[in-house]
Amino acid sequence: QKEVEQNSGPLSVPEGAIASLNCTYSDRGSQSFFWYRQYSGKSPELIMSIYSNGDKEDGRFTAQLNKASQYVSLLIRDSQPSDSATYLCAVKEDSNYQLIWGAGTKLIIKP
Amino acid sequence: DAGITQSPRHKVTETGTPVTLRCHQTENHRYMYWYRQDPGHGLRLIHYSYGVKDTDKGEVSDGYSVSRSKTEDFLLTLESATSSQTSVYFCAISDSGQGQETQYFGPGTRLLVL
Repeated sequence: QKEVEQNSGPLSVPEGAIASLNCTYSDRGSQSFFWYRQYSGKSPELIMSIYSNGDKEDGRFTAQLNKASQYVSLLIRDSQPSDSATYLCAVKEDSNYQLIWGAGTKLIIKP
Repeated sequence: DAGITQSPRHKVTETGTPVTLRCHQTENHRYMYWYRQDPGHGLRLIHYSYGVKDTDKGEVSDGYSVSRSKTEDFLLTLESATSSQTSVYFCAISDSGQGQETQYFGPGTRLLVL
């Protein structure tokens, strides 16, 4: 069974520091990787996607992918209280419609 | 929410009653999905659709059925609601379904089965 694992947290990070979120996956056929952010009581919203090994930066967010080790991570620089949310990792094969989801990591940014 | 609405947003029902949730999109996307989200489980796919009248089961489809008679509408029916179906239900859409295509989510429906 294909699985995506995340530490449930909560992960507590001081304001202004770097938050590091990790995700491992079991299916070596996975080709596309997504990070979603979900505020309490709201729907998931896409913040980053990554498809190739290495780093991808978008503003304060950096996604890192290592297919050989089967992990993907999300770094949030200069963390803000508004970054406090649950972060969901999702992976998929290119030939498959379905996303496989992790259970999410709750991030708390302390002022 | 990328032109996606869900109705109702909240519902309380009793065990054994049928319940229908509606997802409506204005993006003309081909693919639509129904998920449920429960604490500790993340998002689990119930059913999905890859076109009008084309649907398939996801990992937790027992007790649920779906219909898609128009591109913009995807209905989820709980045939006889049980307490284990108390959850938050999200609809999602995507354009191609494959490759690097992203899924976008509706606002969700909170369902309580008593």
